Amino acid sequence: EVQLVESGGGLVQPGGSLRLSCAASGFTFSAYWMSWVRQAPGKGLEWVANIKPDGSAKYYVDSVKGRFTISRDNAKNSLYLQMNSLRAEDTALYYCVKRVGDNWGQGTLVTVSS
Amino acid sequence: QSVLTQPPSVSAAPGQRVTISCSGSSSNIGNNNVSWYQQLPQTAPKLLVYDNNKRPSGIPDRFSGSKSGTSVTLGITGLQTGDEADYYCGTWDSSLSAFVFGTGTKITVL
Repeated sequence: EVQLVESGGGLVQPGGSLRLSCAASGFTFSAYWMSWVRQAPGKGLEWVANIKPDGSAKYYVDSVKGRFTISRDNAKNSLYLQMNSLRAEDTALYYCVKRVGDNWGQGTLVTVSS
Repeated sequence: QSVLTQPPSVSAAPGQRVTISCSGSSSNIGNNNVSWYQQLPQTAPKLLVYDNNKRPSGIPDRFSGSKSGTSVTLGITGLQTGDEADYYCGTWDSSLSAFVFGTGTKITVL
């Protein structure tokens, strides 16, 4: 059974940083593109970033370019999202997603507020 | 502002058929495969349809997807109260080099 478990969310002040992690199991992690998708409270889904199986290609939504970095450790079956210069508009539930949404984690909540 | 447009809401009685449209352009729907997702209240989204019209294992054939040009449609037959949820389309946009989701449609079962 595929499992995606996110961690690392929390309350952070504007301008601060957080690192999200996603522990994957139940599939060959190193063979799949992985993504982060977020959902602000009461809003729709927004794709944030994705990464190629070997980590050699990464894509980001314009609003996070230069601030967020997606990475992975295939030896640890883990996906990461380093978030810097956080803004109030980054407040959302962040989901770890396999491929184009084959499987989703339960999400980790990031709140940016002073 | 999303590049994929969906109606905000659709409603129908139990047992009826509903359709949800998702309109885009040649840089996204027109040249890439589309997926549909169901998000029940307070839960993570779930994949309903991928590659325009394929269903993952476990998804009943009441759910179907179709594509024509730069638009796609999700159909649900035999509507059930358990189908009340938000539904999103999604695809890669080759011009943006980004994955894009639709604006979302809330289905209400009357």
